[in-house]
Amino acid sequence: DQQVKQNSPSLSVQEGRISILNCDYTNSMFDYFLWYKKYPAEGPTFLISISSIKDKNEDGRFTVFLNKSAKHLSLHIVPSQPGDSAVYFCAANFDNYGQNFVFGPGTRLSVLP
Amino acid sequence: NAGVTQTPKFQVLKTGQSMTLQCAQDMNHEYMSWYRQDPGMGLRLIHYSVGAGITDQGEVPNGYNVSRSTTEDFPLRLLSAAPSQTSVYFCASNLRDREQETQYFGPGTRLLVL
Repeated sequence: DQQVKQNSPSLSVQEGRISILNCDYTNSMFDYFLWYKKYPAEGPTFLISISSIKDKNEDGRFTVFLNKSAKHLSLHIVPSQPGDSAVYFCAANFDNYGQNFVFGPGTRLSVLP
Repeated sequence: NAGVTQTPKFQVLKTGQSMTLQCAQDMNHEYMSWYRQDPGMGLRLIHYSVGAGITDQGEVPNGYNVSRSTTEDFPLRLLSAAPSQTSVYFCASNLRDREQETQYFGPGTRLLVL
């Protein structure tokens, strides 16, 4: 049973436009949500996170929105750049003693020049 | 800061051999963890640690051991390598506050078990 889902395996966007990557989760007890990007043969790079006490967090071109009632979060990249082409993972975690990260399967973003 | 470092970058093992994957971080983070990534799948948590001397199992702990004698180091040991352990292994460390959590990954160790 996948607790964190990214239903779009791939997404193509024109350079300069907005990229919207989506993530759904099933466990309402998650406390933190994180987004990463990953290039081939490299480790994941942390982008932005949000705790469940907030519904929006911004960092430069990246904004994460959290809709707790829908158990949905999204990552907006504006404007999209060719260097943003990568696989994007969302992940969820709990605010307890343990650390039980759950990752989605990823969405491959292609930003076309 | 070097961030999170991992050694080796590549390793080939024969079935039944043992080895240790090294991980170190210089950010004084309490939380560290090991993941494996297999084709078509998200990262899966193997083991994690919330501080020196404290470790616990993640989603896929079988065949792996960890220890955390210092804040900086978190080695992962394969006890008797099996072909099913062929994967890319990532170490990570975390910093958390009330509003967000930040996780830094190492560059990965690519392991092939024959």
